[in-house]
Amino acid sequence: QVQLVQSGAEVKKPGSSVKVSCKASGGTFSSYTISWVRQAPGQGLEWMGRIIPILGIANYAQKFQGRVTITADKSTSTAYMELSSLRSEDTAVYYCASYLGIAVAHGMDVWGQGTTVTVSS
Amino acid sequence: DIVMTQSPDSLAVSLGERATINCKSSQSVLYSSNNKNYLAWYQQKPGQPPKLLIYWASTRESGVPDRFSGSGSGTDFTLTISSLQAEDVAVYYCQQYYSTAFTFGPGTKVDIK
Repeated sequence: QVQLVQSGAEVKKPGSSVKVSCKASGGTFSSYTISWVRQAPGQGLEWMGRIIPILGIANYAQKFQGRVTITADKSTSTAYMELSSLRSEDTAVYYCASYLGIAVAHGMDVWGQGTTVTVSS
Repeated sequence: DIVMTQSPDSLAVSLGERATINCKSSQSVLYSSNNKNYLAWYQQKPGQPPKLLIYWASTRESGVPDRFSGSGSGTDFTLTISSLQAEDVAVYYCQQYYSTAFTFGPGTKVDIK
């Protein structure tokens, strides 16, 4: 089964961008769909978007359209989530999560450890 | 987007007793061509990522204890913990993956009474 390892914590200024990585190992990267989910302090889970690496196709939650970009590098089995125009409300733990398959969606059974992004002036 | 709601917001149950969490979607998540409900349940403990418990509304993920069960169809779903154990203290989320934009419910916190 695939394992997902995320990049380390980030501290960013308001108005800047952050790019978080999610490296997959132990599975065939191209067989998976990778989602990004965030969780603000003390709050619930919020789905941001997903990518099908083998197709390079991503779709996003309407809330983040225009501000988030999800990409994947098949050569390194790594997915990325870049969020721009950061504001304090973007302070959260960002998770990548995956499911096996590209044609039919599924529950996300593998999760990264989470990356804390703090936005502060 | 499909809006997911959960009830109650929190509940406290005695050890060994049943816990029931409800989840409702703003539109049906039953895909008629394969008769599957695109609904999952997750458990999240403090400081940990979520863990998939149930998918297709009622299929238990491998390794999940059989005291966890999911039921429902269309727009109304239930997660039941048949005999609450101390390690089940957590927040539980439902999530739909029917639409191209997935959405989560707000979560239900389960504690020991």
